[in-house]
This record gives sequence, C-alpha cells and structure tokens, in this order.
Amino acid sequence: QVQLQESGPGLVKPSQTLSLTCTVSGGSIRSGDYYWSWIRQPAGKGLEWIGHIYSSGNTNYNPSLKSRVTISVDTSKNQFSLRLSSVTAADTAVYLCARSITGTDATSHYYYYMDVWGSGTTVTVSS
Amino acid sequence: SYELTQSPSVSVSPGQIASITCSGHNLGDKYVCWYQQKPGQSPVVVIYKDSKRPSGIPERFSGSNSGNTATLTISGTQAMDEADYYCQAWDSSTVVFGGGTKVTVL
Repeated sequence: QVQLQESGPGLVKPSQTLSLTCTVSGGSIRSGDYYWSWIRQPAGKGLEWIGHIYSSGNTNYNPSLKSRVTISVDTSKNQFSLRLSSVTAADTAVYLCARSITGTDATSHYYYYMDVWGSGTTVTVSS
Repeated sequence: SYELTQSPSVSVSPGQIASITCSGHNLGDKYVCWYQQKPGQSPVVVIYKDSKRPSGIPERFSGSNSGNTATLTISGTQAMDEADYYCQAWDSSTVVFGGGTKVTVL
C-alpha cells in the first residue's frame, strides 16, 4: 500500500524559499500512470492545488503560484519536492502531497483525482 | 480562471439525506470528484469520475453531475459523516477545488 510522507522545515523567514520533500513508500514513483501533487491549506480555509509532476519530470502549476513554484522529482530516492520562493505570511499553511490518478476515458473526458494523501506538514512563515 | 462554487454549510439530521452542490460553468462537461476531510485529517476521495465510489467508501455516498452543477448525496447520514467536503475538477491543465462545504449532523 502506497504511503506518502512530507518533510521539511516548519518555519521559514519571509522572502526566503520554502522547501519540502514528499517520500513515497510501498511503491515506486515511476510505476503506473500517476502524477504527484502538492496541495496546501491555510488554517481554517480550503484546499489550494500548487502543482504536480510526472515521473518523467513533466509539470503543471497553479497559475497563481507559477512564478514562484518549482516541483522536481528524484526517482532514485522515490521522492518529489516543492520549492516556493519569496514566501510571505500568506504562504503559511499545511502542505500536503498526494498521488493523482489521471486519464481520458471512452467519452474523451479527462478525469483527475487524488487517491493517496500524506498527513501534511505545517509551514509557518515568520521572522 | 475556472471557478467551482459550494455552499459554505449544510445541516442534516441523522438518517436523513444530505445534498452538497458544486457549481461551475458547463461543469457537466468535466469529471468531478469529491473529498471528505475531517478535522485534523487529510482529505479522502469519496467519489471520482462524477459517481464512482472507491473501494471502502460506504454506499450511502453517491454523486451526479449535469449542466452546471455536480451533487454529492449522503443517504442515511451518520454522525461520522460530519466533515468538510470539497469538489474538484480539472480545467486548462489545472486542478480546481471548490471552497468546501461543512456538513453538520445535528
């Protein structure tokens, strides 16, 4: 059974770069037709998709964060990572990683859902 | 950018039907999934591809999607169903979440 675990600093100073890693266990990050996503959730608020990466390195990002986000993958370590630059207090949130299942069915409609989630890690931006 | 709109809250009595809606332009042309999130926990997908239930999700959870509205229905709502529910779709190479609906079982 695939499990995901986020790791990284819990405190980041304003204007610096937030860096998190998601470690995949119980399966290979290269197997299957999956994307690997980052999502965040400020305290008491809703979910915000940050972006995702395929094992080949192909990425998509949320347009509202695209200029500051980089998602990368290290298949040798079975990990994928998030870097968010120039952080402010507005970036304080729980950051979650997830496995995304995608595809196009017989009706030519594209489906996308996240079936496995990490437990999340809280990142606070403060001096 | 594409937007999904959900009502902030829904209240339901135990054993009754809870209906949670998610609206977006021509949403029926897209596949929608639904996540349940309980306090302090990560989201869990309860419906994908509009109406499919993952293994382990109770049959009381069902979904539909047509026109501009997708609906998650909980039949015979139980106290354990009290949670936040989020709809999600894919548009223009981006994942879009609804703002979430808090379901309270009174």
